[in-house]
Amino acid sequence: QKEVEQNSGPLSVPEGAIASLNCTYSDRGSQSFFWYRQYSGKSPELIMFIYSNGDKEDGRFTAQLNKASQYVSLLIRDSQPSDSATYLCAVKSAGNNRKLIWGLGTSLAVNP
Amino acid sequence: NAGVTQTPKFQVLKTGQSMTLQCAQDMNHNSMYWYRQDPGMGLRLIYYSASEGTTDKGEVPNGYNVSRLNKREFSLRLESAAPSQTSVYFCASSEGTAGNTIYFGEGSWLTVV
Repeated sequence: QKEVEQNSGPLSVPEGAIASLNCTYSDRGSQSFFWYRQYSGKSPELIMFIYSNGDKEDGRFTAQLNKASQYVSLLIRDSQPSDSATYLCAVKSAGNNRKLIWGLGTSLAVNP
Repeated sequence: NAGVTQTPKFQVLKTGQSMTLQCAQDMNHNSMYWYRQDPGMGLRLIYYSASEGTTDKGEVPNGYNVSRLNKREFSLRLESAAPSQTSVYFCASSEGTAGNTIYFGEGSWLTVV
C-alpha cells in the first residue's frame, strides 16, 4: 500500500516566522509532488508542485525534496495569519498514471 | 474564468433517495475526477475519467455511478443514498492524468438522514 503521511498538527508559529511542513512518502518511484492549501469549508487549491529533479521557490513558498529520506517539505517564510489553513501533500508515483496519493494534511496556525 | 463548477452546493437527502451531482469545467481538460473528503480519512477518489468516453473506479466507488457526458461535464449519481455517504464531494479536473495539476471545484456538502 503506497502511502503519504503528514503530521496532523496543529503546527503553531508566530507571525513572521518560518513554517516548515513535512510529508513522507513510501514509494521510492514517486515523481511528482504537490502541495495544496485548504481553508476550512473550502476546496483545496494548489500552492506549488515539484518534480523529482529539483526544488522550487515561489514567493514566500519553497518546496524541497529529499529523495534519499523520501520526504518533501514546504517552507513558508514570513508566515501570515492568512496562511492559517490545512496543507495537503499529494504524490504521484511513476507507475500510477491516473491517481494522486493524498496525505491527510497538516493544520497550520499562524498567531498574530 | 469559472474553472470547475459543481452543483448543488448543499443537499439534504433521505436514506434511499437518489440524486446527481453535476460538474462542468471550462479549462478544456481531458481528465475529470470525483473525490469525497471525510474527517480523518482525507481525500478519497470515487471515480475518474481519463478522457472523454472513459470512466474508471477509484478507491471508494461502491454506491456511486458516473457519467462523462462530454469533455466538459462529469456527473456523479447516488442511486440509493445511505448515511455513510454523508460527506463533502469535490469534482476536479486536470489536463491529463500523468502528473498534471488537479484543480478542484468548490465542493458539494451532502447530508443523508
